Amino acid sequence: NAGVTQTPKFQVLKTGQSMTLQCAQDMNHEYMSWYRQDPGMGLRLIHYSVGAGITDQGEVPNGYNVSRSTTEDFPLRLLSAAPSQTSVYFCASSYSIAGQGSGYTFGSGTRLTVV
Amino acid sequence: EDKVVQSPLSLVVHEGDTVTLNCSYEVTNFRSLLWYKQEKKAPTFLFMLTSSGIEKKSGRLSSILDKKELFSILNITATQTGDSAVYLCAVGAHGGKLIFGQGTELSVKP
Repeated sequence: NAGVTQTPKFQVLKTGQSMTLQCAQDMNHEYMSWYRQDPGMGLRLIHYSVGAGITDQGEVPNGYNVSRSTTEDFPLRLLSAAPSQTSVYFCASSYSIAGQGSGYTFGSGTRLTVV
Repeated sequence: EDKVVQSPLSLVVHEGDTVTLNCSYEVTNFRSLLWYKQEKKAPTFLFMLTSSGIEKKSGRLSSILDKKELFSILNITATQTGDSAVYLCAVGAHGGKLIFGQGTELSVKP
């Protein structure tokens, strides 16, 4: 089925460990983004990309890296996990700028706990 | 700094009531305003607004944008328990950025 696929759905990390959250879409969307959601704070933009080879920082980029080597994939890397990175992470993609048309399509989320 | 503010942050109503959710914004290079519904999982798309004064409707939900005063409202008439959710307002800006408000948690009691 077409859509945005995030893996894993759940993850527990120890402080200092690194890991990569995977995001893939099969809709040929140019625009992809990563968000974290914490209670009472809505979704905050971590990094975003307007196409393969192009990425930019959002509101809360510290501690995270991204790359966009293909149109389909947009992985998010945690370099050295900290308890403050415990959150739910969403990946989203859109066909056109600013989600015009049907808006951004979201993945099902990754619930990350750092102990 | 780009900012999207929603009010109220939470709301409790009874079935059949009408509710109005508010979203104000200060965002450079505004492109669109979007409303999403979130029920303990990924947000689902409701509306996208780009022009002032044009109401978008879907069943009991409707929304309108005022680009001069920089706000939008989401109305839900004849509320049902299935409307209970967090409603998110987001503004799309240049470069594909999507900036979210804090969300309004709506609880509809039977």
